[in-house]
Amino acid sequence: DVVMTQSPLSLPVTLGQPASFSCRSSQSLVHSDGNTYLNWFQQRPGQSPRRLIYKVSNRDSGVPDRFSGSGSGTDFTLEISRVEADDVGVYYCMQGAHWPPTFGGGTKVEIK
Amino acid sequence: QVQLVESGGGVVQPGGSLRLSCAASGFTFSTYAMHWVRQAPGKGLEWVAFIWYDGSDKKYADSVKGRFTISRDNSKNTVYLQMNSLRAEDTAVYYCVRDPGGSFDYWGQGTLVTVSS
Repeated sequence: DVVMTQSPLSLPVTLGQPASFSCRSSQSLVHSDGNTYLNWFQQRPGQSPRRLIYKVSNRDSGVPDRFSGSGSGTDFTLEISRVEADDVGVYYCMQGAHWPPTFGGGTKVEIK
Repeated sequence: QVQLVESGGGVVQPGGSLRLSCAASGFTFSTYAMHWVRQAPGKGLEWVAFIWYDGSDKKYADSVKGRFTISRDNSKNTVYLQMNSLRAEDTAVYYCVRDPGGSFDYWGQGTLVTVSS
């Protein structure tokens, strides 16, 4: 199985400041169809996960443009340009390029 | 709008069975693959099972293979997860998830399964 490694495990952030999360995969996430199936999800406390980003850098409808995804191959990053209180929660990366789909362990964002 | 509503969770003894259901609405259910994903208390996300849009292909995590069965009824816009021989380590919130291709775009609210004597 593809192992997804996220860092850091926990990220204390200051409101209004930027935040960055890393996700690394044990093998390339470029599918044979040419797409890179790397997704980011946000899980707020007590809620279901919500997809933020798909195929590395595509923002879902309704996701603020403060969120951006980047990367290629095996190294990926999610960035929040200015953290708001509503951003508290756990962020997971997930690969859909190889069976089975696998998730990273998550990065917990909390406000300093 | 897309809605996925899970039901069927509860408390069951080790070795017991449960059937989860997920009722879908707001989209053409019969054209989408579906998955079940679970989350143990305080833990991360674990993919459990997959079913192709027409039910012709199914896949399972090694941890549940031979014990869980995924199925769907496109006439009822519902996907199911039959869980047998339940173990304590199956305790989790189970989410029904839609797959547009290489991703999970919509999640249900989840249903809690507790395996305990």
